[in-house]
Amino acid sequence: NAGVTQTPKFRVLKTGQSMTLLCAQDMNHEYMYWYRQDPGMGLRLIHYSVGEGTTAKGEVPDGYNVSRLKKQNFLLGLESAAPSQTSVYFCASSSTGHEKLFFGSGTQLSVL
Amino acid sequence: GQNIDQPTEMTATEGAIVQINCTYQTSGFNGLFWYQQHAGEAPTFLSYNVLDGLEEKGRFSSFLSRSKGYSYLLLKELQMKDSASYLCAVRAWLGGSQGNLIFGKGTKLSVKP
Repeated sequence: NAGVTQTPKFRVLKTGQSMTLLCAQDMNHEYMYWYRQDPGMGLRLIHYSVGEGTTAKGEVPDGYNVSRLKKQNFLLGLESAAPSQTSVYFCASSSTGHEKLFFGSGTQLSVL
Repeated sequence: GQNIDQPTEMTATEGAIVQINCTYQTSGFNGLFWYQQHAGEAPTFLSYNVLDGLEEKGRFSSFLSRSKGYSYLLLKELQMKDSASYLCAVRAWLGGSQGNLIFGKGTKLSVKP
């Protein structure tokens, strides 16, 4: 019973490099989310999806892109990484827009 | 705009009771969640309130007053394993048709022997 799985768990990038974070859920949830968590800032919503093929912007979308080609997967992309994107990234999913979120274990990203 | 306030840190003694407060200002309120997050781990769901009143679940209880924009999480019979951050999150409308969770900055609780 995997729940929400994020890969990779750790990554170090140089400024300007690109990368993709993968989130997979096996609970058949419609809704998926990407958050970032910074010290003293709390969790902030980057992008979210309300179903396969849909995406929408959250509070802090700049510098990120997302795709939801399959219902179980939600990808977060950084096209040109910046030091300000150093953070812990959490993926989450929920069955509906009103239910509790299930979180993945997080990705620690450092941009040098 | 949206605003959620909760204390940054709290300390309590093992076996005691602690109350963590959360105040919020938001439009389109549609529920309040509490999550627990141990250091280096993912948040996990604790409780959900959408109507006024107290929800009890074992050692944890959560209270909501929508008219006051106020909630609290009550932890009884504290154990060392309760040392964690407690996140208050409000479901609010950012525009469009989807209400999303807005998180407070979290309260770091330290339980001392």
